[in-house]
Amino acid sequence: QVQLVQSGPEVKKPGASLKVSCRASGYNLIDYSLYWVRQAPGQGLEWVGWINPKTGETKYAWSFQGRVTLTSDTSNNIVYMEMSRLTSEDTAVYYCARDQPPLYEDWVVKTWIDPWGQGTLVTVSA
Amino acid sequence: SSELTQGPAVSVALGQTVTITCQGASLRTFYASWYQQKPGQAPVLVFYGKTNRPSGISDRFSGSSSGDTASLTITGAQAEDEADYFCNSRGNSDIHPVVFGGGTKLTVL
Repeated sequence: QVQLVQSGPEVKKPGASLKVSCRASGYNLIDYSLYWVRQAPGQGLEWVGWINPKTGETKYAWSFQGRVTLTSDTSNNIVYMEMSRLTSEDTAVYYCARDQPPLYEDWVVKTWIDPWGQGTLVTVSA
Repeated sequence: SSELTQGPAVSVALGQTVTITCQGASLRTFYASWYQQKPGQAPVLVFYGKTNRPSGISDRFSGSSSGDTASLTITGAQAEDEADYFCNSRGNSDIHPVVFGGGTKLTVL
């Protein structure tokens, strides 16, 4: 079955860097792009960025530009998210999730995100 | 701020029908997809496209779309449907290429 399994919780100090992994199983990593999405405590979902593991192409949300780097290890079916210059506002659960390529249905584009990893809790505290 | 707008909360009596809405300019170009999230769990896809419900999702869940508004309807709501619901679509700009609604908390009374 298709599954995304993320690395464990992290505790970091302000100013430090973070690297979270997401291992895909049940399918070939290069066949789909992957999103990273975060959720601060009690808040909604915030898109962080996207990577196409086949080409290495990435796209980041403007608020994370220059601070987040997404990479992939296709031989081991793993995607990584690195985030630098952490602050307390980066405290959140970080999810990886598989993006489905856009399809047309009645002249409208449909996309969806499935499955999601279990989430990685990142706590930034002095 | 979210590029998709959802009401913060809605309640429904057990067994009744409830609709959650999501509004945004990108929904004129892209269908919304909908996710259910229970406390401490990852989001789960419950509906996408015009008529698509993933395998294993109850047929209580259905969706619709009109103009810039998408809706998720739960017919005959059950206690286990109590959760947060988020809508999502691609965005219309490079600044917001992927957008989420702020989420709607559903309470089943």
